[in-house]
Amino acid sequence: DGGITQSPKYLFRKEGQNVTLSCEQNLNHDAMYWYRQDPGQGLRLIYYSHIVNDFQKGDIAEGYSVSREKKESFPLTVTSAQKNPTAFYLCASSQASSGGANEQFFGPGTRLTVL
Amino acid sequence: KNEVEQSPQNLTAQEGEFITINCSYSVGISALHWLQQHPGGGIVSLFMLSSGKKKHGRLIATINIQEKHSSLHITASHPRDSAVYICAVRSDSGGSNYKLTFGKGTLLTVNP
Repeated sequence: DGGITQSPKYLFRKEGQNVTLSCEQNLNHDAMYWYRQDPGQGLRLIYYSHIVNDFQKGDIAEGYSVSREKKESFPLTVTSAQKNPTAFYLCASSQASSGGANEQFFGPGTRLTVL
Repeated sequence: KNEVEQSPQNLTAQEGEFITINCSYSVGISALHWLQQHPGGGIVSLFMLSSGKKKHGRLIATINIQEKHSSLHITASHPRDSAVYICAVRSDSGGSNYKLTFGKGTLLTVNP
């Protein structure tokens, strides 16, 4: 089946530890995105990537890092510098075409709790 | 002020009722998305539209570009429609702008 997978679904970490969230897609999409969702707020963009080996900061990139070494994979690292890391993290992907609007497909999400 | 405003925030309906969720936005857009998020958290794309109206089963989405407003309608609502419905817009600022701006969502509960 084509789709986006995120793992794990639930993740617990101690304060001060870095943690990496996985996102893999087999849709052959060029663009991938990481969003954060907090209660009562809309999704906010953390990082996005249009092409392999290139990525851009979103609206709330501080305390996060990403890599895009493969088209299929866009892992997100939540570093100890992120002051409020407990949240629901969603990965998405879409076809990339200049000027065109493309549907984004979302993964199931990872709920990160920092203790 | 959020660029994307949804109303109502919460909506409770009886099975069979006609549902309308509204979305207003303040920027020029190239596309508007309606998304559905179930309690488990996963998000499904329902519609992407830039003009007019789209229909899929019992769901209908309309957009009025001049008024910067979109509506999502659900006919003959069912308890399985209970979810958070999210409106998101892509601005028309040009270039390779793939960013979406999201509303806060409307929590729909359909009672049997």
